[in-house]
Amino acid sequence: EAQVTQNPRYLITVTGKKLTVTCSQNMNHEYMSWYRQDPGLGLRQIYYSMNVEVTDKGDVPEGYKVSRKEKRNFPLILESPSPNQTSLYFCASSHRPNNEQFFGPGTRLTVL
Amino acid sequence: EDQVTQSPEALRLQEGESSSLNCSYTVSGLRGLFWYRQDPGKGPEFLFTLYSAGEEKEKERLKATLTKKESFLHITAPKPEDSATYLCAVRVDSGSARQLTFGSGTQLTVLP
Repeated sequence: EAQVTQNPRYLITVTGKKLTVTCSQNMNHEYMSWYRQDPGLGLRQIYYSMNVEVTDKGDVPEGYKVSRKEKRNFPLILESPSPNQTSLYFCASSHRPNNEQFFGPGTRLTVL
Repeated sequence: EDQVTQSPEALRLQEGESSSLNCSYTVSGLRGLFWYRQDPGKGPEFLFTLYSAGEEKEKERLKATLTKKESFLHITAPKPEDSATYLCAVRVDSGSARQLTFGSGTQLTVLP
């Protein structure tokens, strides 16, 4: 089954404790993105990747890092999480930037 | 700055009561307008892509249309299972591979 998977689905952590949210897709997509979704603000892009070892900033990259060492995986790293990073995070992938994106199920992160 | 505005924020319909959701945008160089459906606790699911003014696409009870300034998602004789948040997003020709700018969504509730 074609899908995008994210782990963990739920995470509660404390300020400053490094964490990684994993994302994996099995559709051989070149393009992958991370978004955060906050009430009233919609989905905002954090980082994207056009292919292996090619990443770039989206609209709200501050406080986040990403890597793309393999085509299927695109982890999101929070080196020192802060409460304003409490949000619902989605990973997405597509063949090309202008194609429809397939979204993962989401990761609900709470930073205390 | 590219802007995408969806209205209304929330809409309650009786089963069978047709209506339309609006997505207005102020962007230059539109490369595509996307409609997604999002169920509670899940990632957005792709519905349609529209590329040029005058284009229309249909899927079951949904029909999406596009003008130079806005897009409509028409829902004909909705059923309770159509209840969801509907998101629109635009991609512009900015020379960047950044993907989509999303609206905040319309939360649709269809009552039996």
